[in-house]
Amino acid sequence: AQSVTQPDIHITVSEGASLELRCNYSYGATPYLFWYVQSPGQGLQLLLKYFSGDTLVQGIKGFEAEFKRSQSSFNLRKPSVHWSDAAEYFCAVGDSGYALNFGKGTSLLVTP
Amino acid sequence: KAGVTQTPRYLIKTRGQQVTLSCSPISGHRSVSWYQQTPGQGLQFLFEYFSETQRNKGNFPGRFSGRQFSNSRSEMNVSTLELGDSALYLCASSPPDWPEQYFGPGTRLTVT
Repeated sequence: AQSVTQPDIHITVSEGASLELRCNYSYGATPYLFWYVQSPGQGLQLLLKYFSGDTLVQGIKGFEAEFKRSQSSFNLRKPSVHWSDAAEYFCAVGDSGYALNFGKGTSLLVTP
Repeated sequence: KAGVTQTPRYLIKTRGQQVTLSCSPISGHRSVSWYQQTPGQGLQFLFEYFSETQRNKGNFPGRFSGRQFSNSRSEMNVSTLELGDSALYLCASSPPDWPEQYFGPGTRLTVT
């Protein structure tokens, strides 16, 4: 069955520290891959996407993600976290890009 | 360009009633998808419409239905509401021929 796993439910990092959020998927072929961010009471904002080509993709707000086919992973990274990055992060996967399968999310807390 | 808009933003209904939620996509977007977000189940895909036709459907009971109009605006309907239907309902639209989704702020439905 197709699935998306975000192993970390909560992550706490200090402001200025680096961040990596993990995402693993189980799909028959290389799917479309996305990272979204959701602030409390808000909808989802698209951070970045991977369809094909270069496996390191750049997104908005200084985020990047790396697709690793051998590990079925699409981890999100940021070199220096800001307090405003505190939010819920969702990895999403789809074979068409239109009917997405979301992970359970990782809640990011940023401490001073 | 204006983003995806959803109305109403908040709604309180009684068990057994029905409800209709509305979504206006970004101008020029012809694909509209709906998702349900709950604390327990997370984000789950409901259905996707393109050019007034349902193109993809998630695993939800027939009480959940939708439609799309010729101007790409979409509505979803939930009949015979149950307590478990309390959720944030998110609508997303996609640009032509490009499988990335842009989400609206959601409609918070509470069933009492």
